[in-house]
Amino acid sequence: DAGVIQSPRHEVTEMGQEVTLRCKPISGHNSLFWYRQTMMRGLELLIYFNNNVPIDDSGMPEDRFSAKMPNASFSTLKIQPSEPRDSAVYFCASSRTNTEAFFGQGTRLTVV
Amino acid sequence: DQQVKQNSPSLSVQEGRISILNCDYTNSMFDYFLWYKKYPAEGPTFLISISSIKDKNEDGRFTVFLNKSAKHLSLHIVPSQPGDSAVYFCAASPGGGADGLTFGKGTHLIIQP
Repeated sequence: DAGVIQSPRHEVTEMGQEVTLRCKPISGHNSLFWYRQTMMRGLELLIYFNNNVPIDDSGMPEDRFSAKMPNASFSTLKIQPSEPRDSAVYFCASSRTNTEAFFGQGTRLTVV
Repeated sequence: DQQVKQNSPSLSVQEGRISILNCDYTNSMFDYFLWYKKYPAEGPTFLISISSIKDKNEDGRFTVFLNKSAKHLSLHIVPSQPGDSAVYFCAASPGGGADGLTFGKGTHLIIQP
């Protein structure tokens, strides 16, 4: 099993640009999570999907952030426009019902 | 408002001794608790979990203890090995899985030779 696959691993972009982070969950997992890790706030849940449907997006910081899951094997997290304070490591994770989450290796985003 | 707190940002332990990592929570609805381990430039990996119906769960060198009345859990690693050096995250959820998982800020464990 390849695990959760995230791309890109690193992203450097200029303030104001659109950024799209991608995630392929583990096959057979029905829940997908997007987390953001910063020094100040640790690991924060941004949004999670169950069976491709967004269940809880209360962690999405503002309207500049959006996430989609068009099918069971792909999800995107988009930031538009990006700002320097969005710089963080973004993790995608997936799980089956009532099991632990498996994390990808993360995307380190730097907005300059 | 932190619902899961790890009050020690770092912990240094000598190789071969016991490492004890602590975690406190405030939400009474949490009934499933997990520990994750994270190496630099990698994602967190699941280590061990415990449900609220138990007070102890053991897996090899790793044991998690849960004190529901104190809303406290701890992870014991014995004996500690150099490969255990990592950041350890405590996490909690109101159900039996990853939905609604809330993480602490992590404790950086350093195992000294």
